[in-house]
Amino acid sequence: DAKTTQPTSMDCAEGRAANLPCNHSTISGNEYVYWYRQIHSQGPQYIIHGLKNNETNEMASLIITEDRKSSTLILPHATLRDTAVYYCIVRVGGSQGNLIFGKGTKLSVKP
Amino acid sequence: DTGVSQDPRHKITKRGQNVTFRCDPISEHNRLYWYRQTLGQGPEFLTYFQNEAQLEKSRLLSDRFSAERPKGSFSTLEIQRTEQGDSAMYLCASRESGSSTDTQYFGPGTRLTVL
Repeated sequence: DAKTTQPTSMDCAEGRAANLPCNHSTISGNEYVYWYRQIHSQGPQYIIHGLKNNETNEMASLIITEDRKSSTLILPHATLRDTAVYYCIVRVGGSQGNLIFGKGTKLSVKP
Repeated sequence: DTGVSQDPRHKITKRGQNVTFRCDPISEHNRLYWYRQTLGQGPEFLTYFQNEAQLEKSRLLSDRFSAERPKGSFSTLEIQRTEQGDSAMYLCASRESGSSTDTQYFGPGTRLTVL
């Protein structure tokens, strides 16, 4: 699985969009970008994933650059409950093994 | 709620004691994973099962650790002769085998404190 690089921490004002970047310059053609988040003292929670096209669901949007070397997770209207560690993970589609987590980005949403 | 459940949520034990944790995956999810997470780090893989077969074990899974999934449903993780370094959050996750996506669903975790 390709390696990812994320900022250690970010702040966002409540009600504003939170844009969390992830670099994955060594991503290969069959690797998907996944985002999970972990709210304090809870298990990680799946957010969204994508291959090439931008994706949107009820939680977030995922923007993947055309060269696929980076992506951005967008929380359109951040709330205090979105304060969490966000993990960007790259892995081959359909692979059966474990997820490889880095240290993620600690997002703090402030009132 | 039909999510992944783990029991107990918290466990405090003395060094040298044995502990056992249980994970109940989402029904019909035949893949089950165990991870360990220490403070400030992301989860690290320990082992996983497809049905009752243990398919992979991490080097983190020392001889003191054993995991089972006897009927392909719930799983247990046992740590023998606990050490202070075993203090961590132990996470369980499940997913459907054969799914085109790699989405894993995590339980709330069991926090172990070894005194």
